[in-house]
Amino acid sequence: NAGVTQTPKFQVLKTGQSMTLQCAQDMNHNSMYWYRQDPGMGLRLIYYSASEGTTDKGEVPNGYNVSRLNKREFSLRLESAAPSQTSVYFCASSEGTIKETQYFGPGTRLLVL
Amino acid sequence: QKEVEQNSGPLSVPEGAIASLNCTYSDRGSQSFFWYRQYSGKSPELIMFIYSNGDKEDGRFTAQLNKASQYVSLLIRDSQPSDSATYLCAVKLTGGGNKLTFGTGTQLKVEL
Repeated sequence: NAGVTQTPKFQVLKTGQSMTLQCAQDMNHNSMYWYRQDPGMGLRLIYYSASEGTTDKGEVPNGYNVSRLNKREFSLRLESAAPSQTSVYFCASSEGTIKETQYFGPGTRLLVL
Repeated sequence: QKEVEQNSGPLSVPEGAIASLNCTYSDRGSQSFFWYRQYSGKSPELIMFIYSNGDKEDGRFTAQLNKASQYVSLLIRDSQPSDSATYLCAVKLTGGGNKLTFGTGTQLKVEL
């Protein structure tokens, strides 16, 4: 099992460009999450999907959109990238039960110039 | 007050010593607590979870939970240089659904 996979691993964008970060899990998990991690800020939740067909905003959703394509895949889209969105993005998944344990993908490093 | 707080460190301990990492949380109703380890440039990986008051041991790691005082700690016995990493505390807050709220992490350095 690959666990949680993310593509791309690294991306450079110019301000105003758009892109989609892809995430897939093969653990048959119900819930999926997108975080960003910035120095000194810890992991901050952008959006999450508690189950297939549902998505909800997290702590820092502005400038992002998500799509839960199916149970396996959860994508994050930046419609018009800004330098403030330079960060490391992690996707995670979990069974979605009360005894929550999230498993993380390897991350995507995004640089917006 | 942040919902989950950790001292950012760095916490330096000599090889073979016990490293003690602490985390406090604001939501008295929280039920689930997690410790993740994150090496530089890597993704977080789960070390331990704890749900009940008291201690939970797994190899060299012990998680301690005190709900009355609203803190959870991680002890690492016989610390090794390979334990040098950032340790993230995560809490499932009441009313947060299945979401976890993370602290900013404590950097641990184990010195030879």
